[in-house]
Amino acid sequence: EIVLTQSPGSLSLSPGERASLSCRASHSVDSNYLAWYQQRPGQAPRLLMYGAFIRATGIPDRFSGSGSGTDFTLTISRLEPEDFAVYYCQQYGGSPTFGQGTRLEIK
Amino acid sequence: QVHLVQSGAEVKKPGASVKVSCKASGYTFTGYYLHWVRQAPGQGLEWVGWINPSSGGTNYTQKFHGRVTMTRDTAINTAYMELSRLRSDDTAMYYCARTTRKWEPYDYWGQGTLVTVSS
Repeated sequence: EIVLTQSPGSLSLSPGERASLSCRASHSVDSNYLAWYQQRPGQAPRLLMYGAFIRATGIPDRFSGSGSGTDFTLTISRLEPEDFAVYYCQQYGGSPTFGQGTRLEIK
Repeated sequence: QVHLVQSGAEVKKPGASVKVSCKASGYTFTGYYLHWVRQAPGQGLEWVGWINPSSGGTNYTQKFHGRVTMTRDTAINTAYMELSRLRSDDTAMYYCARTTRKWEPYDYWGQGTLVTVSS
């Protein structure tokens, strides 16, 4: 099983600032089968990125993904109020596993 | 548009079983896999398994082997997840989510079904 470790556990920033969220895998993720999800309180997760750097349909371009192998990053270039949520990474190269999440809070 | 609508919240006693449904609309039900993912209160996401609505084939994570059964009814475009021998640590929100192939990211999710296990 691939274990995903996200850091930081929580991040406190202001609207307009840049956020960088990390996801580190215990083993290399095949073919960059790495996705990111956003979960707002009381809602189901929403797909943001897949294939490590491909934005899902309707996701604004302030969201970007990078990385390969075992180290991946989700960057939000200029935070909007609706971006404050919990973010999860997921590997889907086999039995899927998720990171424990990063909580992005308003400073 | 694509919708996955799940059944309502359940409260069960330890040792009982629960069956959660996920009704699909807006796409060809047999053309996509349906996965089940759960989230304990205040916790992260955990994959439970998937069903191929076309063939009925299933794949469960080892942790739930012997306790989880996924089925479908293609006549009404609905998938089901049944979890037996419930324990208090099965208390969670259970989501169904769609993928194009068996190992893909989840592009649509149901709204979730809260299952509470309490004596």
